[in-house]
Amino acid sequence: GAVVSQHPSRVICKSGTSVKIECRSLDFQATTMFWYRQFPKQSLMLMATSNEGSKATYEQGVEKDKFLINHASLTLSTLTVTSAHPEDSSFYICSAAKGQVDGYTFGSGTRLTVV
Amino acid sequence: GQNIDQPTEMTATEGAIVQINCTYQTSGFNGLFWYQQHAGEAPTFLSYNVLDGLEEKGRFSSFLSRSKGYSYLLLKELQMKDSASYLCAVDGGSQGNLIFGKGTKLSVKP
Repeated sequence: GAVVSQHPSRVICKSGTSVKIECRSLDFQATTMFWYRQFPKQSLMLMATSNEGSKATYEQGVEKDKFLINHASLTLSTLTVTSAHPEDSSFYICSAAKGQVDGYTFGSGTRLTVV
Repeated sequence: GQNIDQPTEMTATEGAIVQINCTYQTSGFNGLFWYQQHAGEAPTFLSYNVLDGLEEKGRFSSFLSRSKGYSYLLLKELQMKDSASYLCAVDGGSQGNLIFGKGTKLSVKP
């Protein structure tokens, strides 16, 4: 089956530093990956769509200079939270679709805590 | 606009049947998904409906009515481990992304 690996699963960083989150499709090629954010007790909210070889498409209200997305290959997309602040503390999840019937496969998520 | 509604919380008894409803209004529709999400974990795929009707998969069934913008997830023979949030999501975005409802937190009691 389709597997998406996300790393790290948990990260604690100091305010003002940057954090990189990796999302890899292990057994299929994903020309498009999606990055979601989930605050406590809230639903998943799409942040951006990552397209291999082109610039990411950001949702309204998401700062592209703060959340840098790089989709350098068909199996890897990265999200870098730059100059992180406590309000960026959240659960970040990536997903990719191998095929419609199989559903979207999610990474395991990254719990980011900014102190 | 895009809108997906589902109840915030539900409680049911072990061994019983529970139905979680979802209504949606989206600019496009390429299918509806149900996911199960335990606290602090990534969502797990449960079902996918693109045509009207009922899809059954073990203890879980999902129904879709496109004309009504309505779906439900039916869980039978409830087990304690079914306590989780259940997310209704529609593939209705122009980019192929999923649009999620806020989720229904199901508590299964003995």
